[in-house]
Amino acid sequence: EVQLVESGGGLVQPGGSLRLSCAASGFNVDTKDMSWVRQAPGKGLEWVSNIHSGGSTFYAGSVKGRFTISRDNSKNTLYLQMNSLRAEDTAVYYCAKVRWGAVAEGFDTWGQGTLVTVSS
Amino acid sequence: DIQMTQSPSTLSASGGDRVTITCRASQSISSWLAWYQQKPGKAPKLLIYKASSLESGVPSRFSGSGSGTEFTLTISSLQPDDFATYHCQQYNSYPWTFGQGTKVEIK
Repeated sequence: EVQLVESGGGLVQPGGSLRLSCAASGFNVDTKDMSWVRQAPGKGLEWVSNIHSGGSTFYAGSVKGRFTISRDNSKNTLYLQMNSLRAEDTAVYYCAKVRWGAVAEGFDTWGQGTLVTVSS
Repeated sequence: DIQMTQSPSTLSASGGDRVTITCRASQSISSWLAWYQQKPGKAPKLLIYKASSLESGVPSRFSGSGSGTEFTLTISSLQPDDFATYHCQQYNSYPWTFGQGTKVEIK
């Protein structure tokens, strides 16, 4: 069974750092495009970052230069390193697997989400 | 960035109703659009990809249509399990973007 389990969320002060993890099972993270998507309380979904199977990375403008997506193939785990955190980064963060046909086709598998709260 | 606008923001309906949600893109995205269903406290679930392709395991009462800049999600006969929030998402170009969501509530 394909499954994603996030961890690492919590309360952090503005300007602080946090690293989120997403443990995958049922497939290898280095063979799929993977993503982070966030949802602020009571708000819609916001795409944050992608890492392609080939290693290319992409970021939303709101996090570029502050967040870094990466993966550890030996642990079959996706990461999101978040630095210089701001109050507006407060959200539930989901990792997701990109559905792949001939091209990327949305997200077909999601984790349960992990809450990040940025507050003093 | 491509802006995605859903309408309505909230929709009140009764069981058995036919429901249609619209998603408009600020520029053409061909058919590179997905629809998701999300229930409170849960992760989104993929319903439709490539504008009209039904994800495996999703009931056939869900359907999607459209191309270019205008898209619709239709639920042919609303079931109790369908009361939820629906999101559209474009993956034509980075940054990938979502609509603001449409909440389908009980009338």
